[in-house]
Amino acid sequence: AQSVTQPDIHITVSEGASLELRCNYSYGATPYLFWYVQSPGQGLQLLLKYFSGDTLVQGIKGFEAEFKRSQSSFNLRKPSVHWSDAAEYFCAVGALNYGGSQGNLIFGKGTKLSVKP
Amino acid sequence: DSGVTQTPKHLITATGQRVTLRCSPRSGDLSVYWYQQSLDQGLQFLIQYYNGEERAKGNILERFSAQQFPDLHSELNLSSLELGDSALYFCASSSGTGDTQYFGPGTRLTVL
Repeated sequence: AQSVTQPDIHITVSEGASLELRCNYSYGATPYLFWYVQSPGQGLQLLLKYFSGDTLVQGIKGFEAEFKRSQSSFNLRKPSVHWSDAAEYFCAVGALNYGGSQGNLIFGKGTKLSVKP
Repeated sequence: DSGVTQTPKHLITATGQRVTLRCSPRSGDLSVYWYQQSLDQGLQFLIQYYNGEERAKGNILERFSAQQFPDLHSELNLSSLELGDSALYFCASSSGTGDTQYFGPGTRLTVL
C-alpha cells in the first residue's frame, strides 16, 4: 500500500537559518507528490507539487523540493526561514489511479516547524 | 482564501447524534474530496465525488455518508456519533481528478 513518512515530528530552526523537511514515500510507479502547509486554525495550502519533468520544483513563499527516485524522497527546503513560516507541513502522494478515475491524496503525519527569533 | 467554503466552522454535539457538514467547491471545480484530521490518525481521505458521482472511497465508516448535489456542493453526514469521531473535517475541490486540490478551512467537530 502507498504510504508517506515524515520522520521528524517537530523541528525548531532559528530565523534566517536554512530548512529541510524530510519526506519518504512508498509507491510502485512515478508518484504525484505534494507539499502542503497548515497554519493554526487554517486549512491546507499547497506549497508545490511534482508530477513529472524537472526533479527540482519551485513553490510559493520561497520553498523548493527535490524529487529523488533512488531514495524515494521528496524533501522540502528553504534557504532562509522567516518567523511566519512557523506552521505544520504535510507531504502527500497521489493515490493509485491519480488523474484517472480517482484523485485522492495520502498524507504523511506532518512536521511541525517552530522558528526561534 | 482558497475559494472552498465549509459550514459550520465549529460543531459541538453529543454521542449518538447525527450531523451534516456542508462544502461548496471553488467555482468550476467538479471534484470534491472529504478528509478527516485527527491527532491519532492524521489526515485521512474519506470519499471523493466527481460531478455528482462517487469516485473513490477511503477509510470512511459505514455510519458516514456523503453526496454531491447538482449544484456541485457536497454534504458529509455523520450519524450515531462516537467520541472518537471528534476531529477536523476538511473538504477539498479540484477541477478534475488529477489536479491541484484546494482545501477549505475545515469544520471542527466535537462529540461530547
